[in-house]
Parts: sequence; structure tokens; C-alpha cells
Amino acid sequence: NAGVTQTPKFQVLKTGQSMTLQCAQDMNHEYMSWYRQDPGMGLRLIHYSVGAGITDQGEVPNGYNVSRSTTEDFPLRLLSAAPSQTSVYFCASRSLGTEAFFGQGTRLTVV
Amino acid sequence: AQSVTQLGSHVSVSEGALVLLRCNYSSSVPPYLFWYVQYPNQGLQLLLKYTTGATLVKGINGFEAEFKKSETSFHLTKPSAHMSDAAEYFCAVSESTGGFKTIFGAGTRLFVKA
Repeated sequence: NAGVTQTPKFQVLKTGQSMTLQCAQDMNHEYMSWYRQDPGMGLRLIHYSVGAGITDQGEVPNGYNVSRSTTEDFPLRLLSAAPSQTSVYFCASRSLGTEAFFGQGTRLTVV
Repeated sequence: AQSVTQLGSHVSVSEGALVLLRCNYSSSVPPYLFWYVQYPNQGLQLLLKYTTGATLVKGINGFEAEFKKSETSFHLTKPSAHMSDAAEYFCAVSESTGGFKTIFGAGTRLFVKA
């Protein structure tokens, strides 16, 4: 019963590098989302998906891309990392009428 | 559009005292409301949720919250604070009618003094 699994847990990038944060869920949830957490700002929605092949932007989408080719997976891509993207990233999944289930987070530092 | 306002970024109480964390929301349709807790360097754990039915909702660890539609509030309370309650607490809202997005407040850090 894994729930929501995020990898990696920690990552250090140099400015301009690209990388993909992985997220997988085994609960057959339709909805998946990515948040970033910064001190004093709570969790801000980056991108979300309501099903395979369907994605949309959240509150802070700039600098990030997503795709949803399967129900289970929802990777987040940083195309050209910037120091402003230093943050803790959380992936979440849910079904309609249920709460969001969160992964353990990825702590990203961009130097 | 939905939004959540948590009053007070930091709240400090003595052990054994009442805990009250305030949350007001905005939603154009009937909301689903949630409280999550986050311990240091961990993910978010659901404390309690309101979807439909009884407006007073009980959660884990002795916490409860009351949905007040007229006040657009969903405040979190616990009668007697314990040292282990020290954490960050997030209020969140999502739409009940087909909406999937969950929007979070900025969080309230609870300190418990011995």
C-alpha cells in the first residue's frame, strides 16, 4: 500500500540544468497535482491533471512542465532551473469527494 | 475561484491550554474543507475533513473543527494542547461540485510551551 511515491527525496541542481521530479500513485486516483512549499507561503499549486492526457496550470506554473500519459504517473519537469525554484515540492492525488494524499516531498536546491 | 485565509502565521499556547487555529475560506460553490498537519521534514497528514452532513467534524489527536457557512469559517480547536501538537497546520478548500483543485492557506505554526 504505497500511496503516493516521490523521487528523489533530495536534489541539488546548478542554474540552467534540467531535471524531472517523479510522482507515482497506486490508488487509481483521477486527479494529481504538484505543489511547492515555501516558508510563509503555504502550498502553492503548480500544475494539476484531472486524468490521463489532461493537464492544466495552477497558481505558479512558470518554469515547469507536466504531462500525464498514465493514470499512475505525473512527472514535473524543470526545463532550466533557477535559484527561485529552490523549494520543497509535493505531489498529491485524490478522487472527487476525498482528501488529497501527499507524497513525502522532494527538497530541491538550485545553486 | 477559491481561497483560504489563515489568521496568524504563529500561535503559541501553554501545555493544557485551548488550541484555536482560525481559517476562513472563499468558494463560489459549496466547499469541501480540510485541515492538514505537517511535522518537521515530513509530508502532510490529514487531521479532519468536512464534506457534507454534520458541521462539527472530529479528527485525529483530539482535534475538531466546525463548518460555519454564514461566517465562511472552519476553525480548528483542541481543548487541551500537548507538546506533541507542535507542528504546522494548513487549512484547505476544494469545490464539492466537480472541482478537483485543492487550495491551501499559508499555514499556522503552533508552538506549545511547557
